Amino acid sequence: QVHLVQSGAEVKKPGASVKVSCRSSGYTFTNYAIHWVRQAPGQRLEWMGSFNAGNGHTKYSQKLQGRVTITSDTSASTAYMELSSLRSEDTAVYYCARGIAATPLQDWIDSWGQGTLVTVSS
Amino acid sequence: NFMLIQPHSVSESPGKTVTISCTGSSGSIASNYVQWYQQRPGRAPTTVIFQDDQRPSGVPDRFSGSIDRSSNSASLTISGLKTEDEADYYCQSYDGINHEDVFGGGTKLTVL
Repeated sequence: QVHLVQSGAEVKKPGASVKVSCRSSGYTFTNYAIHWVRQAPGQRLEWMGSFNAGNGHTKYSQKLQGRVTITSDTSASTAYMELSSLRSEDTAVYYCARGIAATPLQDWIDSWGQGTLVTVSS
Repeated sequence: NFMLIQPHSVSESPGKTVTISCTGSSGSIASNYVQWYQQRPGRAPTTVIFQDDQRPSGVPDRFSGSIDRSSNSASLTISGLKTEDEADYYCQSYDGINHEDVFGGGTKLTVL
């Protein structure tokens, strides 16, 4: 059974960085992608970026390009999302999710992590 | 930028059928696959439809997806509504110009 387990809640000050982990189990890590999606309180889901664990290729949203970095430790089947220069608007629940290739350009998500609340406050 | 537009809310009675629309702001919505996610309050999303009209294992056949090229829209239809279907539903697709995934604004389904 596929499981994505994320690290715990974080409280950060404006200007700081946060790194959230997502440990995968129940499948071969390098056969799938990992996507990161966030949701501010009462707001829509927002795609942040993705990482192809097979070839190491990453994609980022234009909005967050330059502030978000997705990495992985393949030996530990774990993906990481780091967001820098935090602002109050970055307060959100951050989800990792497993992506399955539907086309060479597009995945579909079949499994989600439990979410990690990141609070940015002075 | 490419956007997916959903109604803010819909409501229907138990046992009835409801359809939630998702309209592409530009281009052809049929150019890329559309997915639908269900999110109950305080919970992570779950996938109910992928690749326009496919159901993941475990999702009941009361849930169905379709594409209407004439209106440039995707639709999620839930038949035989149950109170447990009450949730937010998000459509999602791919912006082929900016090479990024896009979510709709979400639709709150009330079953009353």
